[in-house]
Amino acid sequence: GAGVSQSPSNKVTEKGKDVELRCDPISGHTALYWYRQSLGQGLEFLIYFQGNSAPDKSGLPSDRFSAERTGGSVSTLTIQRTQQEDSAVYLCASSPGLIAAEQFFGPGTRLTVL
Amino acid sequence: AQRVTQPEKLLSVFKGAPVELKCNYSYSGSPELFWYVQYSRQRLQLLLRHISRESIKGFTADLNKGETSFHLKKPFAQEEDSAMYYCALSGGNFGNEKLTFGTGTRLTIIP
Repeated sequence: GAGVSQSPSNKVTEKGKDVELRCDPISGHTALYWYRQSLGQGLEFLIYFQGNSAPDKSGLPSDRFSAERTGGSVSTLTIQRTQQEDSAVYLCASSPGLIAAEQFFGPGTRLTVL
Repeated sequence: AQRVTQPEKLLSVFKGAPVELKCNYSYSGSPELFWYVQYSRQRLQLLLRHISRESIKGFTADLNKGETSFHLKKPFAQEEDSAMYYCALSGGNFGNEKLTFGTGTRLTIIP
């Protein structure tokens, strides 16, 4: 079956603009995670969804970042008023939501803020 | 706070030689430990996890709670092992398995 997909694969935007990044998890996976991969910070956790709820938003770096998940499936990560330090690869992962379950990663969205 | 340390950013090993990628962790409870790998132009994928006690592609990793380590080992390196390797930890709390990653080690196998 299809794996985790993300769109767009690349996004170039100007400082101050808003961007939306989309994640389509593996069908039936209840848990969904967003991570950010950047040169200076490595791979860092942003937010976790169980179903449509986000019980852990502790990794969101500022209130410019928000995310939602609808229908227990697709998730959107929104960054408002983008800054240059937001430039990174944004990764989405999904899993069945079991202890020590494998997380299946998408290909990522490379965001460049000019 | 949970933390994962991979002390080597870069590691070069000759083909056929043994490989060891180091990983140390800090966590107050009983964590779940993983190794994820990212081959060139591919997505991040699970290599192995300590709970499964399995050997994947000849790699093994033993959880040493006394030394808080989870080093990845392979007795004979192969060229296709060249990749970026990340050690990761989750809290083992059912319902939130968010991963804390190390900074990664880029392994290069010299032919």
